[in-house]
Amino acid sequence: AQSVSQHNHHVILSEAASLELGCNYSYGGTVNLFWYVQYPGQHLQLLLKYFSGDPLVKGIKGFEAEFIKSKFSFNLRKPSVQWSDTAEYFCAVTPSSNTGKLIFGQGTTLQVKP
Amino acid sequence: KAGVTQTPRYLIKTRGQQVTLSCSPISGHRSVSWYQQTPGQGLQFLFEYFSETQRNKGNFPGRFSGRQFSNSRSEMNVSTLELGDSALYLCASSFGRDTNTDTQYFGPGTRLTVL
Repeated sequence: AQSVSQHNHHVILSEAASLELGCNYSYGGTVNLFWYVQYPGQHLQLLLKYFSGDPLVKGIKGFEAEFIKSKFSFNLRKPSVQWSDTAEYFCAVTPSSNTGKLIFGQGTTLQVKP
Repeated sequence: KAGVTQTPRYLIKTRGQQVTLSCSPISGHRSVSWYQQTPGQGLQFLFEYFSETQRNKGNFPGRFSGRQFSNSRSEMNVSTLELGDSALYLCASSFGRDTNTDTQYFGPGTRLTVL
């Protein structure tokens, strides 16, 4: 069965610190990969996505993610976090052949201290 | 362009009742997917509708059902509510056709509380 694992459940950083959130998936075929963010009191928003091509993808608000096929990983990074990045982050996967069903990781709560 | 809208935003029901949630997708989107979000289980896929047909189904009991109308609006129904059905129910829409670029966009959710 397909699954997504996010290694960090709760991360606390100070402003200007660098961020890396891990995401690994389990699926044998071609996948589409996503990171979504849920700010406090807001709905789930797309941060970035990967379908094919350059494995390093850039998203909104300075976030980027790297797809490493051999490691089944899609880690999220940001060089310098801000207090406004405090949110819950979700990694999600769909098989490329069936994009109607997103499989989510458990989510990572990021708390940025001013 | 208007986003995905869900109504109602909040619902309080008692055990044994049934509930219907509504979702209006982004204009032009023909796929609507439903998810349940709880603190313990996270985000779990319920089902997906495309062109009025259920195309994917998650591992939820038959008490959870849905449908899609010709204008792509979708409804989700939960019958015989249980306490464990308390959750945030999210709807997402996408074009549903091109697998290379298809992306789901989420609505604000309906917060269901079962007493």
